[in-house]
Amino acid sequence: AQRVTQPEKLLSVFKGAPVELKCNYSYSGSPELFWYVQYSRQRLQLLLRHISRESIKGFTADLNKGETSFHLKKPFAQEEDSAMYYCALKSGSARQLTFGSGTQLTVLP
Amino acid sequence: DTAVSQTPKYLVTQMGNDKSIKCEQNLGHDTMYWYKQDSKKFLKIMFSYNNKELIINETVPNRFSPKSPDKAHLNLHINSLELGDSAVYFCASSQDSWGGGAYGYTFGSGTRLTVV
Repeated sequence: AQRVTQPEKLLSVFKGAPVELKCNYSYSGSPELFWYVQYSRQRLQLLLRHISRESIKGFTADLNKGETSFHLKKPFAQEEDSAMYYCALKSGSARQLTFGSGTQLTVLP
Repeated sequence: DTAVSQTPKYLVTQMGNDKSIKCEQNLGHDTMYWYKQDSKKFLKIMFSYNNKELIINETVPNRFSPKSPDKAHLNLHINSLELGDSAVYFCASSQDSWGGGAYGYTFGSGTRLTVV
């Protein structure tokens, strides 16, 4: 069964500091991985997906199949990055996304 | 012009009541979903419809019944509401029926249900 683990429920960093939100998954095949973000009182929205290898709002995420990880990183955090971040996985045969439990990021001034 | 809209945004009701949450998408997507976000912010799939056909039906009480009159609408009806049903319910849609593929989901803004 596929599973997504986000070990940190809460993460606080100071503005300008690097930030890394951890995501580990369990799936034996080739996964499709996503990061979603939910700003306060807003809907969840797609932040980035691993297949596009893009950088959105300064965030990047690299799929590491050896470590089964898809950590989200940003070199210099901004206060507007404060939000709830969800890692999500879609396995080959599954017809839905499986979400992690989320990490609440707070960027302090 | 909202892509995925849910109504109502807030719903407070007593135990034992029956209530419905509506969802509509204007993206032309074929697949719609209902997710439940519990008090710990954990998101769990409940149902998925592809072009009006039920394709995912996770282990939820049968008091929950989805209805899709057409592919742009997916409603959620809940009978005999219980305290434990209190949560935020999110509707979402995707272009394909395979979990959103490369494009992921488009979410609604959520319906916060409080059962008292």
